[in-house]
Amino acid sequence: GQGVEQPDNLMSVEGTFARVNCTYSTSGFNGLSWYQQREGHAPVFLSYVVLDGLKDSGHFSTFLSRSNGYSYLLLTELQIKDSASYLCAVRDNSAGNKLTFGIGTRVLVRP
Amino acid sequence: GPKVLQIPSHQIIDMGQMVTLNCDPVSNHLYFYWYKQILGQQMEFLVNFYNGKVMEKSKLFKDQFSVERPDGSYFTLKIQPTALEDSAVYFCASSLDRGFSGNTLYFGEGSRLIVV
Repeated sequence: GQGVEQPDNLMSVEGTFARVNCTYSTSGFNGLSWYQQREGHAPVFLSYVVLDGLKDSGHFSTFLSRSNGYSYLLLTELQIKDSASYLCAVRDNSAGNKLTFGIGTRVLVRP
Repeated sequence: GPKVLQIPSHQIIDMGQMVTLNCDPVSNHLYFYWYKQILGQQMEFLVNFYNGKVMEKSKLFKDQFSVERPDGSYFTLKIQPTALEDSAVYFCASSLDRGFSGNTLYFGEGSRLIVV
């Protein structure tokens, strides 16, 4: 069936990095997006990947392996304000092309 | 960046009453969505809408739910009658199209609905 899986929580230290993993299962993969959501606020688009490999966007990078149904969001040089939930969302052609979200990984950056 | 506005931000309503949640999507966007998020849980797709019609809906989009966008005004989600399990934050989103840009959804801040 279809599903998007992420760990619930992740803790890291200011100035270091955090890697948020996402695994998915789809019949008709048509792209994966990452969103940041702060408590009580709207999800904000960060990145979209559809081809395998690493995409560097400065403060964060995204990686995709379609054969493994796996992506990660890498946050570097962490700041306290990076503490938020990070949502992985997959678009599946066989599921009407809607975006299916994971539960979101709550990243806590401590000093 | 582009803004999606939602009204109201909060609403408390008695079970069985009707509620209408309003969304003003990004002006040149063509696809509109409603998602439901219960506190601490994942964003769940309800419905998407294009050219005046429902394109896809999930099992969560019960018969008591309806959406419309009369004459290009607000994109609305109506629940009639409401039930206790409808308590959640409802996020509206819009996108330019369903291709590459369709993966970029712009979300409103959500309408927090509490049914008592």
